[in-house]
Amino acid sequence: NAGVTQTPKFQVLKTGQSMTLQCAQDMNHNSMYWYRQDPGMGLRLIYYSASEGTTDKGEVPNGYNVSRLNKREFSLRLESAAPSQTSVYFCASSEGQFLYEQYFGPGTRLTVT
Amino acid sequence: GQQVMQIPQYQHVQEGEDFTTYCNSSTTLSNIQWYKQRPGGHPVFLIQLVKSGEVKKQKRLTFQFGEAKKNSSLHITATQTTDVGTYFCAGLISSGGSNYKLTFGKGTLLTVNP
Repeated sequence: NAGVTQTPKFQVLKTGQSMTLQCAQDMNHNSMYWYRQDPGMGLRLIYYSASEGTTDKGEVPNGYNVSRLNKREFSLRLESAAPSQTSVYFCASSEGQFLYEQYFGPGTRLTVT
Repeated sequence: GQQVMQIPQYQHVQEGEDFTTYCNSSTTLSNIQWYKQRPGGHPVFLIQLVKSGEVKKQKRLTFQFGEAKKNSSLHITATQTTDVGTYFCAGLISSGGSNYKLTFGKGTLLTVNP
């Protein structure tokens, strides 16, 4: 099993460009999450999907949209990238919402110039 | 807002010394999870504590959950270079019914001098 996979691993965007970060899990987990990690800030929740067909805002949702395409896949879209969105983005999944351990993907390092 | 505070932010030790990181919340936690992130890596789940006063051990790691379920600690005995990384706590706060919020602390970066 691959666990949680993310693509791409690295990306450089110019201000105003758009892109979609892809995430997939093969553990048959119900819940999926997107976090961003900035130096000294820990992990901050952007959006989460408690189950297939549902999505909810986390702590820092502004500037992002998400799609739970099916039970396996959860994508994060930046419609108009800004330098403040330079960060490392982690996708995670868990058996159930929040009450269970989360499995993280390897991350996407995004730089917006 | 509700926060989970973690101290210290950094800790440098000599190999063989002990290490402790602390996590504190202003709100009662439903549970607390601990994760480790190696440099350049992703967070990896270590353990979850649920009960008041709970103590769990994993080899040289000891995890405690406070009696009031507002604080937790992770203690490493006789650190090794393989312990290097950032340790995060994540507190689960109930906002009523089946609604929960998981808040991560900012982490403690542990470096070990061989």
